[in-house]
Amino acid sequence: DIVLTQSPLSLPVTPGEPASISCTSSQSLLHTNGYTYLDWYVQKPGQSPQLLIYLVSRRASGVPDRFSGSGSGTDFTLKISRVEAEDVGVYYCMQALQTRTFGPGTKVDIK
Amino acid sequence: EVQLVESGGGLVQPGGSLRLSCAASGFTFSSYEMNWVRQAPGNGLEWISYITASGTTIYYADSVKGRFTISRDNAKNSLYLQMNSLRAEDTAVYYCARDRDSGRGYYGVDVWGQGTTVTVSS
Repeated sequence: DIVLTQSPLSLPVTPGEPASISCTSSQSLLHTNGYTYLDWYVQKPGQSPQLLIYLVSRRASGVPDRFSGSGSGTDFTLKISRVEAEDVGVYYCMQALQTRTFGPGTKVDIK
Repeated sequence: EVQLVESGGGLVQPGGSLRLSCAASGFTFSSYEMNWVRQAPGNGLEWISYITASGTTIYYADSVKGRFTISRDNAKNSLYLQMNSLRAEDTAVYYCARDRDSGRGYYGVDVWGQGTTVTVSS
């Protein structure tokens, strides 16, 4: 089974400043079709999870361009260029190569 | 509007059973693969089951294998999760979530319901 780890698990941020979350997979998420099946989701307080990024770097519909994803193979990063107060929540990476697995989550809150 | 609405949660005793439903609307349900994902109180997200658009291929997490059964009725635009032999550790909010359109590429798990709460306690 594929295991995902995230760091940090807690991330206090200052509005206007950048933020970055890492996700590491126990095995490569590169499919033979050339796509890498790593997504990012956010769960804001009191809400259901929502899709931010799919296939490593593709922003979902309506996601602000301050969010970006990068990485390959087993190592991935979600970056927020300038954090806004509305970005607080728990951020999860998820692999979709073999069934589905979520990382443990990174709690982002305002300093 | 694209929407998923879960129902069927509640309080059940250990060893009991419960059937969750997820009603889909606003999209061609029969074209999409679907998931159940749960979140125990204070914990992160746990994927528990997946079903293809036609229902022919199904996967389960080890934590629920042999106890839970996923199914769908495309004529009724509905997804189900039959949960048997429930344990205290199954207490969670259960979400249904839309996955890949079987006729297109992968675009993430892009639609989530509001969740239904299952509490297993005596």
